[in-house]
Amino acid sequence: GQQLNQSPQSMFIQEGEDVSMNCTSSSIFNTWLWYKQDPGEGPVLLIALYKAGELTSNGRLTAQFGITRKDSFLNISASIPSDVGIYFCAGPDFYNQGGKLIFGQGTELSVKP
Amino acid sequence: DGGITQSPKYLFRKEGQNVTLSCEQNLNHDAMYWYRQDPGQGLRLIYYSQIVNDFQKGDIAEGYSVSREKKESFPLTVTSAQKNPTAFYLCASSIGARETQYFGPGTRLLVL
Repeated sequence: GQQLNQSPQSMFIQEGEDVSMNCTSSSIFNTWLWYKQDPGEGPVLLIALYKAGELTSNGRLTAQFGITRKDSFLNISASIPSDVGIYFCAGPDFYNQGGKLIFGQGTELSVKP
Repeated sequence: DGGITQSPKYLFRKEGQNVTLSCEQNLNHDAMYWYRQDPGQGLRLIYYSQIVNDFQKGDIAEGYSVSREKKESFPLTVTSAQKNPTAFYLCASSIGARETQYFGPGTRLLVL
């Protein structure tokens, strides 16, 4: 089945630094979703991408849908302590008629004030 | 406000006991999902339902059961057959299959 690989698995950065993480697959995705999960809470949708090459921003967050449709990137500029959490990428599983979303393993971000 | 609610926030289970986790949504979404999350790991799909009175097993359905008698509600029962139930359980819903999913706040299940 389809799989999503996120990297890095974890990041430890200083407040104010920029962050970059990515999500790759061996198969094509037609939608890319980026979620953030705060500790002890459910994931919240940050950005949704629907078109190859699309670049979308949400405040200090910017995400891109790769041209090959096999990858996506999420960048966070000028990180702040509340950026701490786990970031997940996800996309629809087209091999499963039941309509699952496939999730990456997550990138855990720690920000040092 | 529209959203997804899960209760309780924390749940304790005794050995051999069945427990039921509640998930309710007022978003008028057709599809609902249950995920399990273990520390430091991603989300694993337990069960999902695309429409009332219908549901399918996900990747780790053994030891769990669900029902979907109403569009708004998708309760998950963790049975005594689930030998390692301690985890964070997340419910989600979407307008339809393969659409963007929106998550509830989660229930943490602990075994006494």
